[in-house]
Amino acid sequence: SQQGEEDPQALSIQEGENATMNCSYKTSINNLQWYRQNSGRGLVHLILIRSNEREKHSGRLRVTLDTSKKSSSLLITASRAADTASYFCATGGKDSNYQLIWGAGTKLIIKP
Amino acid sequence: EPEVTQTPSHQVTQMGQEVILRCVPISNHLYFYWYRQILGQKVEFLVSFYNNEISEKSEIFDDQFSVERPDGSNFTLKIRSTKLEDSAMYFCASASLQNYSPLHFGNGTRLTVT
Repeated sequence: SQQGEEDPQALSIQEGENATMNCSYKTSINNLQWYRQNSGRGLVHLILIRSNEREKHSGRLRVTLDTSKKSSSLLITASRAADTASYFCATGGKDSNYQLIWGAGTKLIIKP
Repeated sequence: EPEVTQTPSHQVTQMGQEVILRCVPISNHLYFYWYRQILGQKVEFLVSFYNNEISEKSEIFDDQFSVERPDGSNFTLKIRSTKLEDSAMYFCASASLQNYSPLHFGNGTRLTVT
C-alpha cells in the first residue's frame, strides 16, 4: 500500500454513534495530520499530532499515533449529520519539511 | 477568521492553452503551497514556496508549471500548454510555520481541460 492509506474507504453509521477511521503510512514521519473535506470544497485541518505524541484530543475528536506500527486512528464521538464528509490523513516526513503525503481518504456518511 | 481565497472557482480551457490559477494566502503566513486532486484520487503535492523561491517540488511539477508571487498578496500557479490530464481540483494552501503547522486551504479551482 502507499504512504497514507486510510481504512475503511467508506463508513456509514447512525447519528450518535462513534466513527473510527484508520491511517497507515510507510516512512518515518515528523507529524501526522487529519483533514476533512466536504464535497467539492477545500480541505479543513482538524488535528495535528507530532511523532513524539501518542494521543491528542480536540472536542469530539481523538487521534492516536503508533509510530511502531506506523498507524494512526481518528475517532469522532457522538457523530452528527454535519460530520458527513471525507477524512484524510497526511504525513509530514523527516526528509521533507514542506510536502504532505496524503491518503485516499475515508468517506464518512452519518445517517440521521 | 482569515482564509485562503482562490479564483476562479472553475476554469474551463482548451487543450494547449495556458491558464493562471490565483490564490490569496492568509496575510501573515510565510509558506505557500499548491496541491491538486484529480477526481476520485488522492491529494498530490505540487510545490512549496518560501521567501520568494520554490522550496520543494514534486515530480508532477515539471517545466509545464510555474509559480509566482507577483506582489505581497497573490500567489499564482501557471500551467502552460494544458493537457487533458491536467483536469483536476487545484488547491492553494498557506502556513505560518514550516513544521508542526497546519495548512490552511482555499476552496480550490476546478480546472477542466477540453
